[in-house]
Amino acid sequence: TQLLEQSPQFLSIQEGENLTVYCNSSSVFSSLQWYRQEPGEGPVLLVTVVTGGEVKKLKRLTFQFGDARKDSSLHITAAQPGDTGLYLCAGVAGTASKLTFGTGTRLQVTL
Amino acid sequence: GAVVSQHPSRVICKSGTSVKIECRSLDFQATTMFWYRQFPKQSLMLMATSNEGSKATYEQGVEKDKFLINHASLTLSTLTVTSAHPEDSSFYICSALGEQYGYTFGSGTRLTVV
Repeated sequence: TQLLEQSPQFLSIQEGENLTVYCNSSSVFSSLQWYRQEPGEGPVLLVTVVTGGEVKKLKRLTFQFGDARKDSSLHITAAQPGDTGLYLCAGVAGTASKLTFGTGTRLQVTL
Repeated sequence: GAVVSQHPSRVICKSGTSVKIECRSLDFQATTMFWYRQFPKQSLMLMATSNEGSKATYEQGVEKDKFLINHASLTLSTLTVTSAHPEDSSFYICSALGEQYGYTFGSGTRLTVV
């Protein structure tokens, strides 16, 4: 079983603060994705990373894939209340197609 | 972009009855669909992988006779929760894998068994 551990589990910050969410595993992933999920809805894809060491930016969000393709991080700059939600990393291992989700990080951004 | 339609969005059923959840890829073909279950305050747990025209592959600990999956066409997969019990109450989410769009998720089904 490929276990993806996210930290922290829960984060409550004020608007304007920066934060980093980590996604770690002992397994190697051919690709890793980050999603955000709102209550009562399906997860929405934010980014896919496939190359070890890859860094992708999406406005205030910066995603990094570890050199060994076992871990990833999501950094949010100047968080806004609209960033509130459940952040999930998910990985695909080898040639299999199934997507395994991390344990999740619940982010709350207050005014 | 790709859209996956999941119905119903909410369902309440009596204990002992069966419930069917549909997952449709609206504008693309999906040879593989996935079914996940999510309990409150938790992440998505993969239940099974469904391939068109073949039997589903279930994850360890998931009862295949309780959670029946049918993937009869390239655009439709169904999950039937048989003889539902209160502990089956959960948020069920499907995902369709398309060649062009990658993984696209449905909006989920909130199942409450009373």
